[in-house]
Amino acid sequence: TQLLEQSPQFLSIQEGENLTVYCNSSSVFSSLQWYRQEPGEGPVLLVTVVTGGEVKKLKRLTFQFGDARKDSSLHITAAQPGDTGLYLCAGAGRDDKIIFGKGTRLHILP
Amino acid sequence: DARVTQTPRHKVTEMGQEVTMRCQPILGHNTVFWYRQTMMQGLELLAYFRNRAPLDDSGMPKDRFSAEMPDATLATLKIQPSEPRDSAVYFCASGLVRSSGAPGEQFFGPGTRLTVL
Repeated sequence: TQLLEQSPQFLSIQEGENLTVYCNSSSVFSSLQWYRQEPGEGPVLLVTVVTGGEVKKLKRLTFQFGDARKDSSLHITAAQPGDTGLYLCAGAGRDDKIIFGKGTRLHILP
Repeated sequence: DARVTQTPRHKVTEMGQEVTMRCQPILGHNTVFWYRQTMMQGLELLAYFRNRAPLDDSGMPKDRFSAEMPDATLATLKIQPSEPRDSAVYFCASGLVRSSGAPGEQFFGPGTRLTVL
């Protein structure tokens, strides 16, 4: 069974600080996506990474796909209260099935 | 702007009752997904349709759950009979599958929050 482990499960930090959250697996994925979900809403796609070692930037968010395509990280610089939410990683595995991690619940304190 | 719609947004029912959740995917999308989200298990894939054909429903308890796409504008998820352990938020998502390469974006609806007493 392919699994995605996300860490930490919960993170609460002050506005302006930097943070990194992780998405790890023992399996190889053909691609990996990061979603953000706000309370009462469905997840919204932030980025898709496809190539091992790939780095993508979205304003203050930096996403990296591991060289072996088994893990990924999301780094946020100078966190803002608007970054608060549940961050989910999702891997495309066998048969193009999308598998989600359980998420990192991030809270940015003003 | 185009978005996935789900009805009802909230449903409270008693154990043993039938529950039907509906989803209207974005026009032109060829894939539809049903997910269940709980704090303990996170987001679990229940069923997956491509061009209205069921491709994968291995995540769904078959004895009580059923998913159908009677036409391209409607997907349904039915639970009969419902049980308290079915209480969760159920999401529908739609997207476009590419012939090769990375999967496309999944667009999620707002979810149906189901409570079974």
